[in-house]
Amino acid sequence: DTGVSQDPRHKITKRGQNVTFRCDPISEHNRLYWYRQTLGQGPEFLTYFQNEAQLEKSRLLSDRFSAERPKGSFSTLEIQRTEQGDSAMYLCASSLALDLLGWNEQFFGPGTRLTVL
Amino acid sequence: KQEVTQIPAALSVPEGENLVLNCSFTDSAIYNLQWFRQDPGKGLTSLLLIQSSQREQTSGRLNASLDKSSGRSTLYIAASQPGDSATYLCAPNIYKETSGSRLTFGEGTQLTVNP
Repeated sequence: DTGVSQDPRHKITKRGQNVTFRCDPISEHNRLYWYRQTLGQGPEFLTYFQNEAQLEKSRLLSDRFSAERPKGSFSTLEIQRTEQGDSAMYLCASSLALDLLGWNEQFFGPGTRLTVL
Repeated sequence: KQEVTQIPAALSVPEGENLVLNCSFTDSAIYNLQWFRQDPGKGLTSLLLIQSSQREQTSGRLNASLDKSSGRSTLYIAASQPGDSATYLCAPNIYKETSGSRLTFGEGTQLTVNP
């Protein structure tokens, strides 16, 4: 399967703990996105990478959140000092853009469901 | 700020019906628009991408139209089947020169097709 993969698929943690999620994009894709989805809502944009550069962060991404894509391949999203309000599905997507105006269909992974107790 | 509205929020139909899902967005300066399907507890599956220069895009029983100037898109599903039951999400893609693109999602239309 050469789609977007995410690990873990489910994570249960206690309030105050740190968690880290991983996303492996489609191999040739140069763009990687993180979204968050709460129950009954559509996904909300969190942040976006072009290769290894983090180009945009949403205001939803508080100081407790950090994302990296160190070699322009996989990405990690870390949440420090988790709160119950962080409980959500965290979705990763990737796309291929040959230039700034290039084809940009986004393909999503299965998501990581986080539950903070 | 882009806002996306999908109507209806939920839809229940008997198998075989043709149906239309509606999406409206407030900022017409979009680059393209994607329609997705999401099964409960799962990720998103891309169904169709329609470029801002296109008016229609078709894939099998699915047809998406786009009226960029009026900020509307529709997804037409022909001859619906129980396997089509899912939440359908519309996401216009805003392009910014400084940072590339981002999708903005509506809350989706929850479709149930009854056998």
